[in-house]
Amino acid sequence: GAVVSQHPSRVICKSGTSVKIECRSLDFQATTMFWYRQFPKQSLMLMATSNEGSKATYEQGVEKDKFLINHASLTLSTLTVTSAHPEDSSFYICSAWDRVTQETQYFGPGTRLLVL
Amino acid sequence: QKEVEQNSGPLSVPEGAIASLNCTYSDRVSQSFFWYRQYSGKSPELIMSIYSNGDKEDGRFTAQLNKASQYVSLLIRDSQPSDSATYLCAVGPGSYIPTFGRGTSLIVHP
Repeated sequence: GAVVSQHPSRVICKSGTSVKIECRSLDFQATTMFWYRQFPKQSLMLMATSNEGSKATYEQGVEKDKFLINHASLTLSTLTVTSAHPEDSSFYICSAWDRVTQETQYFGPGTRLLVL
Repeated sequence: QKEVEQNSGPLSVPEGAIASLNCTYSDRVSQSFFWYRQYSGKSPELIMSIYSNGDKEDGRFTAQLNKASQYVSLLIRDSQPSDSATYLCAVGPGSYIPTFGRGTSLIVHP
């Protein structure tokens, strides 16, 4: 199947700092990428849908000024958590939509964020 | 509000048994149904997709769909300890933005 990478896999930061997470589709072009957040023992919660070259669409309750998403190319989307707080600590997972096969999303390995 | 319901479990089965995981959904116009496996601390990986009523088999896995009852299930035959994970059901109008259930935790004990 298609490969999606995320970097970093794990990050620890101080409260008030910003953290950038990269999501790359390695062997296919992704016109659309999705960003999810998952708290322990909870389901995946879609945060935003990122389309290449346009503004991201955020789900209700997700602050667009806090979670900045950039999808500058067909293989890269970034999520920046600005002024991170301990409650932002979570598992952030991206997924990418393969516009050739359009069968399903391919998930990245996830980034575990811990804000102290 | 589209809802996808799963029993959180844990479902515990002995090695070699059949594990049966169930999922119900609220949106009658749903067309695409997916089962993902998620190991602890890892991201989900797709196991099966099913789009029409009936059974779909892939190795030890069988997905069953009943749109009239708004019900989709996953059977795992000859369960192995390595199958121990959380299984997420996802339902959508397409695979574009499916709605995920909370997942069912499966434990296969030797």
